[in-house]
Amino acid sequence: EDKVVQSPLSLVVHEGDTVTLNCSYEVTNFRSLLWYKQEKKAPTFLFMLTSSGIEKKSGRLSSILDKKELFSILNITATQTGDSAIYLCAVGSLVGGLLPGGSQGNLIFGKGTKLSVKP
Amino acid sequence: KAGVTQTPRYLIKTRGQQVTLSCSPISGHRSVSWYQQTPGQGLQFLFEYFSETQRNKGNFPGRFSGRQFSNSRSEMNVSTLELGDSALYLCASSLRTGGEAFFGQGTRLTVV
Repeated sequence: EDKVVQSPLSLVVHEGDTVTLNCSYEVTNFRSLLWYKQEKKAPTFLFMLTSSGIEKKSGRLSSILDKKELFSILNITATQTGDSAIYLCAVGSLVGGLLPGGSQGNLIFGKGTKLSVKP
Repeated sequence: KAGVTQTPRYLIKTRGQQVTLSCSPISGHRSVSWYQQTPGQGLQFLFEYFSETQRNKGNFPGRFSGRQFSNSRSEMNVSTLELGDSALYLCASSLRTGGEAFFGQGTRLTVV
């Protein structure tokens, strides 16, 4: 059965700390790994990773994928209180292989890591 | 450009009723997926529509159904509501195969 496991489930840090969030997966027909930040309702897109070893960066956030070991990490440096949120990892899978005409397939989500940044 | 729009934002229904939720994807996006989010189970995939055809389906009972119209707007229907159907229902749209999915604000459904 396909699964995505995130760790830790929750984390409390102080402003200025650096955090590393982990995501491991076992998914057939892997297409991509995505990170989202969810503060209230809609998860907001952070990164999409498809190739191993290529770091993606956006400000203080960065992420990398290891397709051999089947995991990804999300790093946040110099954390701020505004970084407090649930961080979701999702793996894009094409059930049944590539479908004609293209398809998003489905995203298999981990349970998320709840990050709390204290002032 | 406008994001993914879901309506209504909040809904309260009683057991046994049915409900229809609506999702308008980002303009030009042909793929629409639906997810159920609960505190215990996290985000779970319901189904995906692409060009009016259901492409993928998650492990939900037949009471959950959906459709997509020619303008890519999608509706999700849940019949014979149960208390356990109370959840945040999220819709996501994407442009291309395996591309990033953009989520709407969700519909908070409460079944009493």
